[in-house]
Amino acid sequence: AQKVTQAQTEISVVEKEDVTLDCVYETRDTTYYLFWYKQPPSGELVFLIRRNSFDEQNEISGRYSWNFQKSTSSFNFTITASQVVDSAVYFCALGSGTYKYIFGTGTRLKVLA
Amino acid sequence: DGGITQSPKYLFRKEGQNVTLSCEQNLNHDAMYWYRQDPGQGLRLIYYSQIVNDFQKGDIAEGYSVSREKKESFPLTVTSAQKNPTAFYLCASSIGIGQAFMFSNQPQHFGDGTRLSIL
Repeated sequence: AQKVTQAQTEISVVEKEDVTLDCVYETRDTTYYLFWYKQPPSGELVFLIRRNSFDEQNEISGRYSWNFQKSTSSFNFTITASQVVDSAVYFCALGSGTYKYIFGTGTRLKVLA
Repeated sequence: DGGITQSPKYLFRKEGQNVTLSCEQNLNHDAMYWYRQDPGQGLRLIYYSQIVNDFQKGDIAEGYSVSREKKESFPLTVTSAQKNPTAFYLCASSIGIGQAFMFSNQPQHFGDGTRLSIL
């Protein structure tokens, strides 16, 4: 069975702190892909990153970085020097060759000024 | 700009009434999806469509119906059989579902959502 676990329900940090959001996934597929989405209070889902299973390179985009480790089935997301605008719910999702996209339950990040 | 448009933003349903949520995309995507989001939970798939005139049930299809008469449009009807319809509904699209999507770097694109409540 496929599963995505985001164990952190809510995280609060003070502005400029670094924060890591955890994502652990389960799948028997050898080829799969992982996403992170941001959901601000307005509700829309904003795409942040997609990583395919055959590409284990970590990625940095500005203050955002992602650490993909197949050995531990994790795809963690780090925000460096957090800002109030980063406050949102963040979802990790897993997909494979079928229609099935499995979303985690999300982590609510609150960045306090 | 290309994107997905959902309407209305807010919708109220009376007991026993069917309501239809609109989803239109101009991304030329073949695949479209409907998700339901409840407070504090992730997204659950209601229906998906890989191509015009074809659609499949997702995990929670009971009480919902869809149609895919045009590539651009994938409306969702919440029927009176859905006893707990209050939720946030998100429509999404992608270039495909199979190999083309698997080996691309494209995501599912989402609309802004429709919040449905019971009167």
